[in-house]
Amino acid sequence: RKEVEQDPGPFNVPEGATVAFNCTYSNSASQSFFWYRQDCRKEPKLLMSVYSSGNEDGRFTAQLNRASQYISLLIRDSKLSDSATYLCVVNKMSGSEKLVFGKGTKLTVNP
Amino acid sequence: GAGVSQSPSNKVTEKGKDVELRCDPISGHTALYWYRQSLGQGLEFLIYFQGNSAPDKSGLPSDRFSAERTGGSVSTLTIQRTQQEDSAVYLCASSLDGRGRNSNQPQHFGDGTRLSIL
Repeated sequence: RKEVEQDPGPFNVPEGATVAFNCTYSNSASQSFFWYRQDCRKEPKLLMSVYSSGNEDGRFTAQLNRASQYISLLIRDSKLSDSATYLCVVNKMSGSEKLVFGKGTKLTVNP
Repeated sequence: GAGVSQSPSNKVTEKGKDVELRCDPISGHTALYWYRQSLGQGLEFLIYFQGNSAPDKSGLPSDRFSAERTGGSVSTLTIQRTQQEDSAVYLCASSLDGRGRNSNQPQHFGDGTRLSIL
């Protein structure tokens, strides 16, 4: 099983749609989880951290399910500017500073 | 500047030449990471520096790759005798020291160096 696994997509959705991405991770000792976004030919940028209780930032909601080793990102009322690749990121093991990046899920929001 | 700064932004060189890539992390960030990203691929971890500790070099793909971090700040990644498969975007990231905490500090990335080996 890959350390971090994501559906590569692409997801093509109309403006205003709700879209959800999933991510699974293999190491049950992982403690830190993030979603990054990466625009074409640009560097990854932190979108949000993922907390055990789930967290929301505007139109974005992140959920963590430790039992299933599963992370999700929900985008509501999607905008054209949300078009990007979304990277699921997990720390390698508890107490480790090394992060493992998923290969990303590509999202295109269409007018 | 406020962000991670990398130079050069683009580098084209002939196979067999050595290249040196530079990263200037965010001031106060003790952790520094190098990654590379080939076209259409995910990020591949290369090396990690944390303060004065010995670096974690477990991701370096061969002994042609080396990195230094002088004075706990600026880092250089050196690739000797470059090969065509070294062509990629090399990304540097920095973060605050997350050791001893329950969660990692987020990493902040530079714009990357796009390396092309002819």
